[in-house]
Amino acid sequence: GIQVEQSPPDLILQEGANSTLRCNFSDSVNNLQWFHQNPWGQLINLFYIPSGTKQNGRLSATTVATERYSLLYISSSQTTDSGVYFCAVISNSGYALNFGKGTSLLVTP
Amino acid sequence: EAQVTQNPRYLITVTGKKLTVTCSQNMNHEYMSWYRQDPGLGLRQIYYSMNVEVTDKGDVPEGYKVSRKEKRNFPLILESPSPNQTSLYFCASSLSVGGKETQYFGPGTRLLVL
Repeated sequence: GIQVEQSPPDLILQEGANSTLRCNFSDSVNNLQWFHQNPWGQLINLFYIPSGTKQNGRLSATTVATERYSLLYISSSQTTDSGVYFCAVISNSGYALNFGKGTSLLVTP
Repeated sequence: EAQVTQNPRYLITVTGKKLTVTCSQNMNHEYMSWYRQDPGLGLRQIYYSMNVEVTDKGDVPEGYKVSRKEKRNFPLILESPSPNQTSLYFCASSLSVGGKETQYFGPGTRLLVL
């Protein structure tokens, strides 16, 4: 099946710092989504972005489908950004979202 | 408000006692699915449904059943739960089947099987 690799696995930032999270995938995809799992376990949709660039407030994402990677940018981080960020993809031949192992982010005051 | 709801949110049960976790979406979505999340194993799909009365196995279907009698509901049934089914469960839905749509996730159900 399709492989999804995220980096870095862990990240500690001070409030106000910027960060870039990366997602590499091994095959062509129909769907790529970024999620934030908050400390209560809820999965929050951030972006649906199989290609191109999107922005939502302090967050933005870029997917270069031809090179099989996606980047999530977090600017001016806040403590509420803490949690685990997942990249998930659906291959052209599948139905299930295949999740990466996530990037665990801790933003300190 | 467009959403996927799950009930219960937390459940403690004992081995062998049948339980059902409900999932409902109010977005008229065709595709619904169940995932479980376990430390070190990530999120894995249990079952999915492409429409009413159409269901199929995902990656880890053993020990689970599902049904899709109505478009909005997709319950997950554990007929004889075992401790290895202790997990965080998510229901998800999307407008269509082909994968080219945002999948929306419910808030999760934490299950502990003693």
